[in-house]
Formats: sequence, structure tokens, C-alpha cells
Amino acid sequence: ETGVTQTPRHLVMGMTNKKSLKCEQHLGHNAMYWYKQSAKKPLELMFVYSLEERVENNSVPSRFSPECPNSSHLFLHLHTLQPEDSALYLCASSQDRSGNTIYFGEGSWLTVV
Amino acid sequence: AQSVTQLDSHVSVSEGTPVLLRCNYSSSYSPSLFWYVQHPNKGLQLLLKYTSAATLVKGINGFEAEFKKSETSFHLTKPSAHMSDAAEYFCVVRNTGFQKLVFGTGTRLLVSP
Repeated sequence: ETGVTQTPRHLVMGMTNKKSLKCEQHLGHNAMYWYKQSAKKPLELMFVYSLEERVENNSVPSRFSPECPNSSHLFLHLHTLQPEDSALYLCASSQDRSGNTIYFGEGSWLTVV
Repeated sequence: AQSVTQLDSHVSVSEGTPVLLRCNYSSSYSPSLFWYVQHPNKGLQLLLKYTSAATLVKGINGFEAEFKKSETSFHLTKPSAHMSDAAEYFCVVRNTGFQKLVFGTGTRLLVSP
């Protein structure tokens, strides 16, 4: 138990569906992250929220839309995804954005069909 | 920008034999370095971190890593492998800019009886 909980653990969706991934952290941290983990590629940081303020990563397609309603919760809204978006999506949190220890959830496996 | 290179995509050892997972870093200043482990269907867990204190860093589960500035290396070692050590291991360097932590491509450790 890392203190970061992700749901659902597995999701299969069609390219026209709208779905959301949810993350909750119980560590009192001020920064939360979405990472994408694909086979044979380095872990890719998608979005960062620090004190509920989003730090943009302009390389992420607009079909991924994050939401951070408070410092403990983070969502990733998914819309009209492509098969190449199939991957493990990891949520993480840290005390701040200084680059020290990050705590990861167990991930949500997403398959786009 | 800082970066890490994990020299082996797969390492195979027998149970009870030593483990060596290699990592070289590139940094324009004194780096902070981490090793994370990811067991199957799990998120990433911090094994250990180096932040310019002692060059030999001890982590969880009997792992340790030595920071060698002259070789720009931060190799992960364990004297005796256990079956439960089979996992993917990521070397990570702290960075400036958007991506505060830069992950290597990972080394899969296979442990045979």
C-alpha cells in the first residue's frame, strides 16, 4: 500500500467512448502526476498539478484532459482515444515539485479497441 | 538536461548469486539519483536515493547503489538474489524543467531457481 490509489485497475474502451481514470492520495502531498508507461519506452510524464494548479505539457494530445478538484484527487478524462493510447497510466504524488521522492499508484491498464 | 542510460534491458541471475544492474548518468551538475522497482502489475516503488551525502546508498530489500562521479555511474547491487527480486528496475535522475524526474528505459531482472 503506497498511499496512492487508482481506479479502475483495468479499462477497455472503444475509440468513441468517454471514460475517466481516478486517483486518490492519502499522503497529504501537494503535487500529483499522471504518467504514461508504454512498452519499450521510458516513463512519460503527462501532467503535473502542484497546489491544484496545472503545469502544462504541450506534447499531450487534447483527447487526454486532467482534472484536479482538490489536492487529494486527480482525474484523467479520456475521449476519442486511439489504439496507440493503450498503455499503463500511473498516478503519483509528492510533497512538492522539487523532484524528490515520488510515490506511485499501482496503475490503470487501458486498452483502446 | 539530465539523462540516464540503463545499459542492459534484461539481466538473468540464479537465486543466491549477486545482482548488478548498471546505470550511467549525464548531468551538468551534482545529480540526485534514484532507483525504483516495479513488480508485475504493480506501480513503481522507491528502492533508494542518492542526494550528495554518502556515496554508498543502502535501500530496501538488501539493495544498495554506489555513486561514482569519475565513472558517471550509479549501479544497483545486491549480494544474493531472491526469487521475489524478479521485477523491472528503473534508474532515475532529478532534472530541472518540466520533467523533474527523468526515467531510464528499465532493466528486467529475471531470477531462476
